[in-house]
Amino acid sequence: QITLKESGPTLVKPTQTLTLTCTFSGFSFSTTGVTVGWIRQPPGKALEWLALIYWDDDKRYSPSLKSRLTITKDTSKNQVVLTMTNMDPVDTATYYCARRGDGSGFQYWGQGTLVTVSS
Amino acid sequence: QSVLTQPPSASGTPGQRVTISCSGSSSNIGSNTVNWYQQLPGTAPKLLIYSNNQRPSGVPDRFSGSKSGTSASLAISGLQSEDEAHYYCAAWEDSLNGYVFGTGTKVTVL
Repeated sequence: QITLKESGPTLVKPTQTLTLTCTFSGFSFSTTGVTVGWIRQPPGKALEWLALIYWDDDKRYSPSLKSRLTITKDTSKNQVVLTMTNMDPVDTATYYCARRGDGSGFQYWGQGTLVTVSS
Repeated sequence: QSVLTQPPSASGTPGQRVTISCSGSSSNIGSNTVNWYQQLPGTAPKLLIYSNNQRPSGVPDRFSGSKSGTSASLAISGLQSEDEAHYYCAAWEDSLNGYVFGTGTKVTVL
């Protein structure tokens, strides 16, 4: 059974750096093809893809946020970490981590974690 | 601003067929496969369709996907009350070297 769970602060101040951790079970980055991504959703708005990390440590970032994002993985801990610098109130959103399944779709999702940016 | 455009809303009565469109371009839908997600209120998205028209295990065959050129569609036949949700298309965007979601469609069961 594949599960993912996001963890991190629920409240951050403007200009601070956000660090979110995705802890998963049921699969491993030691397996060729495993890909995990981060997606966010501001309240009442659409989904927005943020970043991807592949089993071979290749990475992709949303061009509009690339300068602020870093995605890393810890294979031994079964974790993926996303950091986002210089947080702003517009970054208030539910942040999801998800694993790709068949095709390019994200088949397995965490429950999401709401991050509010406010002073 | 998303590069994949969907109608904001769609509706139908129980048992009807509802179709949702997703309009893109040659650098996304035109050259990559399309995925569809269902998001029930207050929950994480669920992959409904992958690779244009494939259903993950457990997804009812009432849901079907298709793609033609730079557009894709999701059809829900035999609409049920539990289908009331937001639906998002998504695809890889070559020009951005990243994944893009559509603007989303809210389906209401009348």
